[in-house]
Amino acid sequence: DVKVTQSSRYLVKRTGEKVFLECVQDMDHENMFWYRQDPGLGLRLIYFSYDVKMKEKGDIPEGYSVSREKKERFSLILESASTNQTSMYLCASTQNGEAFFGQGTRLTVV
Amino acid sequence: KNEVEQSPQNLTAQEGEFITINCSYSVGISALHWLQQHPGGGIVSLFMLSSGKKKHGRLIATINIQEKHSSLHITASHPRDSAVYICAVRLGGGADGLTFGKGTHLIIQP
Repeated sequence: DVKVTQSSRYLVKRTGEKVFLECVQDMDHENMFWYRQDPGLGLRLIYFSYDVKMKEKGDIPEGYSVSREKKERFSLILESASTNQTSMYLCASTQNGEAFFGQGTRLTVV
Repeated sequence: KNEVEQSPQNLTAQEGEFITINCSYSVGISALHWLQQHPGGGIVSLFMLSSGKKKHGRLIATINIQEKHSSLHITASHPRDSAVYICAVRLGGGADGLTFGKGTHLIIQP
């Protein structure tokens, strides 16, 4: 019973490419989040959304944008990928305090 | 800004040992989560606490709101418990995002 699905487990992209990371949840949650996870730094919030077409910057939004056209889907966009964006990316959705996470996308930018 | 500190950062123990992981935070919260992350990246929520104590199988989580401290205990530890355990807190006031500790890397040796 998968609840939060990220479109890819592993991605390798070239510097300068536009990269889309997709996240879909099937629980009708309003709140969705994108985090990146790096060794020694833990999870850091990139962007979040409280509703369709609504987005808010997190702690490290530089170099990223997001899109939420439908309630179930929250996309993270790297407009021009750089090597310092090599990381594990995790999507989450929450409602009433309960949090559910995707399996993560390990992105390597070469 | 809320800081979340976990200890220890790394813990290696023998199968059967009683394990304790600690989490301290700096401001008032509405809830605290204990999360488990296995190699490969996916995160699973183990507990959500706002007071007292919760138990699920061999896992026990406690929280002391006055002292701003929580502990996760594992009884009769097993190699399959090897994972990264992450403490995350949710602030009050309607915000649903989480602030994460850096995680505790636990290895249980047979």
